[in-house]
Amino acid sequence: EADIYQTPRYLVIGTGKKITLECSQTMGHDKMYWYQQDPGMELHLIHYSYGVNSTEKGDLSSESTVSRIRTEHFPLTLESARPSHTSQYLCASSDDVSDTQYFGPGTRLTVL
Amino acid sequence: GNSVTQMEGPVTLSEEAFLTINCTYTATGYPSLFWYVQYPGEGLQLLLKATKADDKGSNKGFEATYRKETTSFHLEKGSVQVSDSAVYFCALSESSGNTPLVFGKGTRLSVIA
Repeated sequence: EADIYQTPRYLVIGTGKKITLECSQTMGHDKMYWYQQDPGMELHLIHYSYGVNSTEKGDLSSESTVSRIRTEHFPLTLESARPSHTSQYLCASSDDVSDTQYFGPGTRLTVL
Repeated sequence: GNSVTQMEGPVTLSEEAFLTINCTYTATGYPSLFWYVQYPGEGLQLLLKATKADDKGSNKGFEATYRKETTSFHLEKGSVQVSDSAVYFCALSESSGNTPLVFGKGTRLSVIA
């Protein structure tokens, strides 16, 4: 059973607010990922990290930023939220051996 | 580059019907192949995987066979249940393991009693 957590599960905020979506895992995985999932279900990779102090941008241009100061923690920050950021955000992690990704339950963000 | 193409939905079936969701891929080398499932309000869960040609992954009555000659990894289940209603994603991992998984766009399955 995967142990990967996301908080908050739901968030409604106003335009212009700064927010941080939290993601943590207790499996000791080096690799972590953030996806944005649109209402049509498609997943878009926005950031990933292959270890502490390593971060990369994904396929989808995003106004968010990430940090990886500790192995278990991979927060995503929006400096100034906009209605176009309304979406479901999924965090995942994987080990180096199997490449199987384990997903958190997601954060559903609504920006008014 | 690597890509995954899966059957567009939504797919609606009656309980106990046979399910096939097609998935084909383009990749260099010898990728690993995955099926993930996403139930309403949840994140994705690994359903099954196969790491080399002719491998069959299976779980919860679902099966998929890694076919290198047709670059396919179709998901099948002989008799679906209402509880199988979910979104299904096909994905691949390139053989080097140095890039993130590549996902298909997802197929929504609804099973009606």
